[in-house]
Amino acid sequence: GQQLNQSPQSMFIQEGEDVSMNCTSSSIFNTWLWYKQDPGEGPVLLIALYKAGELTSNGRLTAQFGITRKDSFLNISASIPSDVGIYFCAGQRMDNFNKFYFGSGTKLNVKP
Amino acid sequence: GAGVSQSPSNKVTEKGKDVELRCDPISGHTALYWYRQSLGQGLEFLIYFQGNSAPDKSGLPSDRFSAERTGGSVSTLTIQRTQQEDSAVYLCASSLPSWVQETQYFGPGTRLLVL
Repeated sequence: GQQLNQSPQSMFIQEGEDVSMNCTSSSIFNTWLWYKQDPGEGPVLLIALYKAGELTSNGRLTAQFGITRKDSFLNISASIPSDVGIYFCAGQRMDNFNKFYFGSGTKLNVKP
Repeated sequence: GAGVSQSPSNKVTEKGKDVELRCDPISGHTALYWYRQSLGQGLEFLIYFQGNSAPDKSGLPSDRFSAERTGGSVSTLTIQRTQQEDSAVYLCASSLPSWVQETQYFGPGTRLLVL
């Protein structure tokens, strides 16, 4: 089952606005990953985080590995219509590298 | 290409038939994962391979589901006596050995429709 609480479930924003979504867990995670999934496609990796406190950017995307190791956020600045899709967080727990746990996804809608 | 590939991309079958779904991981990736994604939902873990062995089969929903991996590369997910509730997208992902911090890369998925 789901080990990660991802929010919000969906967002409706205007083009040009900034977006923020986050994932939290009661367990300590060693790795945080953020993926984007377009309709009919597999998830595509956006950002990978490996150290507590790490802040990483990929173009207009910025993600952080929470200092407590129990949370992560993803920010998208100056959103554009092609940002539309479902964003998933995922991670490896400190006590179990064998499995990746996924959030339930944030569906992003961008109005031109 | 160098990514994860899956075949077929789409499969329509009749209830009760068996289906086989194939995954070709990224070359050199020893860890391989199968997930199921129902329409509009998140990813449901099915099974994990490290090399040819499957240390974690905990996500397989019933004994109608099985998977194997040969040569540390290609994996096949088999669903026997398919049911309508098996309709979903089946995603495969691979990574370097998962005993280190690693990143999963996904294939495009196989869309299964059971009529």
